[in-house]
Amino acid sequence: AQTVTQSQPEMSVQEAETVTLSCTYDTSESDYYLFWYKQPPSRQMILVIRQEAYKQQNATENRFSVNFQKAAKSFSLKISDSQLGDAAMYFCAYRSAGYTGANSKLTFGKGITLSVRP
Amino acid sequence: DAGVIQSPRHEVTEMGQEVTLRCKPISGHDYLFWYRQTMMRGLELLIYFNNNVPIDDSGMPEDRFSAKMPNASFSTLKIQPSEPRDSAVYFCASSLWRSYEQYFGPGTRLTVT
Repeated sequence: AQTVTQSQPEMSVQEAETVTLSCTYDTSESDYYLFWYKQPPSRQMILVIRQEAYKQQNATENRFSVNFQKAAKSFSLKISDSQLGDAAMYFCAYRSAGYTGANSKLTFGKGITLSVRP
Repeated sequence: DAGVIQSPRHEVTEMGQEVTLRCKPISGHDYLFWYRQTMMRGLELLIYFNNNVPIDDSGMPEDRFSAKMPNASFSTLKIQPSEPRDSAVYFCASSLWRSYEQYFGPGTRLTVT
């Protein structure tokens, strides 16, 4: 079974600065997807960014980028130019590739609470 | 599209009562997932359906929990009888076959006193 570990329960960043959130995972599969979800105080789960394991290039979405190290099974999220609206809980998640039912589920880490100081 | 719809948004009930949580997935999506979020255990997958058929219910904590999907546009998660340790936020999510992304509903915050 796959596991996802987020070892830092909380982090804080100054507005306009850069912060990196860490995530490691364990799997024996070679093809999979990794995600970062954001959960603001509204509770809504919002997909921030995804990475396909077969792609060597790190994904980027505006101020959000990842550092995907497949051999190390590491998947960190970098938030540049942090804004007050970035304050939220962030979850790292894993999904197997393929299209059978068993591959469809997400395995989440415990999450990290990010606060942004004005 | 309205997104995934869950009701109620908040539920407060007394121990021993039956609780029913409802979910309407995004139209056309063929996968539906129920998750539970607590401080202690984080986000846990309880059960998921494909084309209205339960695929994996290994995450359902006890026989007190049951889930149904009578049609493609509606699912329920029932707890009977409820206990204080069932207090959590319950999320429903849906996705489309061959799509990597799950779309989450706003969640139902359940409090059992």
